[in-house]
Amino acid sequence: DAGITQSPRYKITETGRQVTLMCHQTWSHSYMFWYRQDLGHGLRLIYYSAAADITDKGEVPDGYVVSRSKTENFPLTLESATRSQTSVYFCASSEPGTGVYGYTFGSGTRLTVV
Amino acid sequence: LAKTTQPISMDSYEGQEVNITCSHNNIATNDYITWYQQFPSQGPRFIIQGYKTKVTNEVASLFIPADRKSSTLSLPRVSLSDTAVYYCLVGDPNTGNQFYFGTGTSLTVIP
Repeated sequence: DAGITQSPRYKITETGRQVTLMCHQTWSHSYMFWYRQDLGHGLRLIYYSAAADITDKGEVPDGYVVSRSKTENFPLTLESATRSQTSVYFCASSEPGTGVYGYTFGSGTRLTVV
Repeated sequence: LAKTTQPISMDSYEGQEVNITCSHNNIATNDYITWYQQFPSQGPRFIIQGYKTKVTNEVASLFIPADRKSSTLSLPRVSLSDTAVYYCLVGDPNTGNQFYFGTGTSLTVIP
C-alpha cells in the first residue's frame, strides 16, 4: 500500500541498548522528518532530511543518529537508549512546491526504555 | 523560522463554532500558514493552508488579516469527534522550512 509506514509499532528496550526505528515512504517525497512527542511538549523535531544523503539536526538531536541512503527510507537510531528517550516517535514526509504543501505522518512508534 | 504561539487548551460545547488563534509576529514574506489536527495515538493530519485573507474547505476556514501576524482557524459546529490537538505552522512551502509544531491547542468538545 502507498503511504508512510513505521516499524515497530511498539518497542521496549533496556537502558544502554541500541535501537533503530524504521520509516519507509512510497511517494518518493524528498523531505523526511523524525519527531518525538511527549506530554506537555507537543511535537519536537529530532532530525530531518531534504534528500538522500542530506540530513540536518532539529530541535532535540542529542542521542540520536539518522541516515538516508535511499529516498524512501529514513531510519532513526538511538545509539545508547536512556529513560528520557521514552516517547512516541513519528516519522513524516513531504514534497515542497507541489501545490498545497503538507506533511504526511506515519502511525508512530511507542518506545519505552526501562 | 517564524515562531508561533497558540492557547494551550480550549473547551467548547457541541454544535458551537470554535475559533483558535495563532500568533506569528515574525512571519516572512514567502511563508504560508498551515494547520494540522492530531487525534490521540495518531500522527497529525493536514487541515488547511493559506497565505492571506480567507481560505475555506470542507473541514474548516482559515482567516488571515492583512498584516499576517496572526491567523484564526474556524471549525463550524463542532462535534465530539473534533476533540483533538490543533497545531499552527508557518513556513515557505517551496523550500520545506515548515518544521516546528510546538505544543498546539488541545480542544475538548463537551456534549
